[in-house]
Amino acid sequence: AQTVTQSQPEMSVQEAETVTLSCTYDTSESDYYLFWYKQPPSRQMILVIRQEAYKQQNATENRFSVNFQKAAKSFSLKISDSQLGDAAMYFCAYRRGWDMRFGAGTRLTVKP
Amino acid sequence: SAVISQKPSRDICQRGTSLTIQCQVDSQVTMMFWYRQQPGQSLTLIATANQGSEATYESGFVIDKFPISRPNLTFSTLTVSNMSPEDSSIYLCSVLGHTNTEAFFGQGTRLTVV
Repeated sequence: AQTVTQSQPEMSVQEAETVTLSCTYDTSESDYYLFWYKQPPSRQMILVIRQEAYKQQNATENRFSVNFQKAAKSFSLKISDSQLGDAAMYFCAYRRGWDMRFGAGTRLTVKP
Repeated sequence: SAVISQKPSRDICQRGTSLTIQCQVDSQVTMMFWYRQQPGQSLTLIATANQGSEATYESGFVIDKFPISRPNLTFSTLTVSNMSPEDSSIYLCSVLGHTNTEAFFGQGTRLTVV
């Protein structure tokens, strides 16, 4: 079974600074998708960024970027110029076909 | 993208009763997914609902406890039956977008059983 591991239960960053959230996964497949979702206190799961495994180029969405290391099965999220609104739970997710698995989550605190 | 309306957003229920959660999508989708998120935990898949057939349940979840309906391609319900305090969780419905890439989620239902 595919598993997703987030080893950082909590992280903290100063406003305007950069923070990196870690994620590793286990799979024997070569074709899959990886995602980072954000869940603020409102409970709404919001897609932050996605990465197709067949693409070597790391995905970027404004202040959010990933470091995708396929051989190492690593998928970290970098948040630049952190803002107070970035405070939330962040979940790393793996999907292949209908099967989608989530990591345990990392709670990000942003200090003013 | 897909817009999902999930109701109710929260409820407080007596043990032994049942609650039905509704999920309405703004477009037709093949599969709908129901998740449970216990306090401070990650998402756990309860079942996958395909229109016109029985839902497929994950290990640890049974139809008698979590009956699901999927009457058409835009709507599904999840019922939490004979509730106990251990059922207190957030329940989320989800669909895949039209490109079948990322998942979209409803706003979640926060259930408290007293």
